[in-house]
Amino acid sequence: QKEVEQDPGPLSVPEGAIVSLNCTYSNSAFQYFMWYRQYSRKGPELLMYTYSSGNKEDGRFTAQVDKSSKYISLFIRDSQPSDSATYLCAMNMNRDDKIIFGKGTRLHILP
Amino acid sequence: GAVVSQHPSWVICKSGTSVKIECRSLDFQATTMFWYRQFPKQSLMLMATSNEGSKATYEQGVEKDKFLINHASLTLSTLTVTSAHPEDSSFYICSSANPNTGELFFGEGSRLTVL
Repeated sequence: QKEVEQDPGPLSVPEGAIVSLNCTYSNSAFQYFMWYRQYSRKGPELLMYTYSSGNKEDGRFTAQVDKSSKYISLFIRDSQPSDSATYLCAMNMNRDDKIIFGKGTRLHILP
Repeated sequence: GAVVSQHPSWVICKSGTSVKIECRSLDFQATTMFWYRQFPKQSLMLMATSNEGSKATYEQGVEKDKFLINHASLTLSTLTVTSAHPEDSSFYICSSANPNTGELFFGEGSRLTVL
């Protein structure tokens, strides 16, 4: 079993819809969880950074961590065409540890 | 604005030549920076961890003599692809971790094409 599993997509949703992106992981020691957005031919951009279980909201983005299920989610409300990108989940055990990335989910928001 | 600056953003070189990519941490001093490689539609693959003032730590399977890393200051790390071959063509991305928060910030990436 891979340490981090993420559906590669592509995921296509109409503009305005709520998008749900997810990752599962196998290592219960992971404590720090991140979501990155990567546009084509660009470096990843940090969207959300959370510690342990719970929710964190920033504008249209909500990150959710369920450590008991080893499952993390990123929700995008009122999705827009400019949200079309690849979204990577990432996590590590301690702040200075090596970060493990998911393969990324390609998201297309249809105008 | 950018937290991590990477240069050049794209480079084309002939087979057998060497190419240097620079990564600068603009907002904070970084004792540790990271170099990744990314193939099309693939996730990031950590190549090495660059340590200021000491040798880089390479991931298994990454040739340290092929990918030379220098981290001479707290804000600059360089990756040199030596004797480049077409199979080295890829997207190379660096990152720097905020020492206070642990948040990882990436450069814009450098696309290398070896002819």
